[in-house]
Amino acid sequence: AQRVTQPEKLLSVFKGAPVELKCNYSYSGSPELFWYVQYSRQRLQLLLRHISRESIKGFTADLNKGETSFHLKKPFAQEEDSAMYYCALIRSSARQLTFGSGTQLTVLP
Amino acid sequence: NAGVTQTPKFQVLKTGQSMTLQCAQDMNHEYMSWYRQDPGMGLRLIHYSVGAGITDQGEVPNGYNVSRSTTEDFPLRLLSAAPSQTSVYFCASSLYNSGNEQFFGPGTRLTVL
Repeated sequence: AQRVTQPEKLLSVFKGAPVELKCNYSYSGSPELFWYVQYSRQRLQLLLRHISRESIKGFTADLNKGETSFHLKKPFAQEEDSAMYYCALIRSSARQLTFGSGTQLTVLP
Repeated sequence: NAGVTQTPKFQVLKTGQSMTLQCAQDMNHEYMSWYRQDPGMGLRLIHYSVGAGITDQGEVPNGYNVSRSTTEDFPLRLLSAAPSQTSVYFCASSLYNSGNEQFFGPGTRLTVL
């Protein structure tokens, strides 16, 4: 079965510092990976997906199949980035997303 | 478009009571799903549906029932509430499957005493 691990429950960085939210997965096939974000008092929403290879709000994530990782990175964190971030995986043949346990990011002024 | 709507926003139940959490979407999405969100455990899939008349179990289906009589609605029924079902429940929909962008509702915070 697939599994998504986010090792950090809480992460704090200062404004302007680089930030990296870790995500590791276990799946032997070719997964699709996503990052979802939940800002305070807002709905959970898609931030980015690896197949798009895009940068959203300055965030990027690269799929590393060798290390089975999909870490989310931003070179200069902003206070408005404070939120709960979830990494998620879907098997190529399946219809269900598997979510990690989430990382609460706090960007300090 | 209202997107995905959920009612109620908050609910308190006593152990053994039953209730239905409502979910509706107006985007003509085929795929709908229910998750529960618990601290330290992320979101776990309860049930999902790939279209009207078709439902299937997710990771944690016990104690919950669903039906999908229309494309728009996907209610979640708690048959006999237990304190372990205290959680925040999210409904989501997407165009065809969960590999497409999922749109989430605002959530229902349920407390079972």
